[in-house]
Amino acid sequence: EVQLVESGGGLEQPGGSRRLSCAASGFTVSNYAMNWVRQAPGKGLEWVSIISGSAYGIGYSTYYADSVRGRFTISRDNSKNTLYLQMNSLRAEDTAVYYCVRGYASGSYNPLDYWGQGILVTVSS
Amino acid sequence: DIQMTQSPSSLSASVGDRVTITCRASQGISNNLAWYQQKPGKAPKLLIYGAFTLQSGVPSRFSGSGSGTDFTLTISSLQPEDVATYYCQKYNSDPLTFGGGTKVEIK
Repeated sequence: EVQLVESGGGLEQPGGSRRLSCAASGFTVSNYAMNWVRQAPGKGLEWVSIISGSAYGIGYSTYYADSVRGRFTISRDNSKNTLYLQMNSLRAEDTAVYYCVRGYASGSYNPLDYWGQGILVTVSS
Repeated sequence: DIQMTQSPSSLSASVGDRVTITCRASQGISNNLAWYQQKPGKAPKLLIYGAFTLQSGVPSRFSGSGSGTDFTLTISSLQPEDVATYYCQKYNSDPLTFGGGTKVEIK
């Protein structure tokens, strides 16, 4: 059974840093594109970032929404089967529930078929 | 960047009604369009991908159509458990933009 469990959320001050983790089970994260999607309180869904799968051990690609590019970094640890989102220079507008989401296949451009339960990050002084 | 516009933003319909939600892309995206259902307090769930392919386990009352710039999600007979917010998303290129959502309620 595919499961995605996020951790690392909480209250952070503006300008601070936070690292979210997403522990995956039931599949191998390196074989799939993995995404972060966020949802501000009472708002719609916003795609944040993607890391493509590493088919056949070949390299991967990463992409970011304009709103986080240069501040957020997506990565994964294949040995731990875990996805990460390093968030730096946090702003109040980064306050949201962050979802770890699997892409349907290894390529970057696929629908999102499995979602974690989400983790709340609040940026406030 | 390609923008995704959903309409209406909310609707209220009776049980058994046919419900239609539309999603328009600002540029052509072929059939690289997915629909998601998000119930209150829950993570979104993939309903349809490739504009019209039903994800495994999704009831057949849900259907999708369209290609290029104009897409439709249809619920053929609205059920109480369909109360949710529905989002379209394009995935042909980054950013993988979502529509603004359509909140569906029971009249």
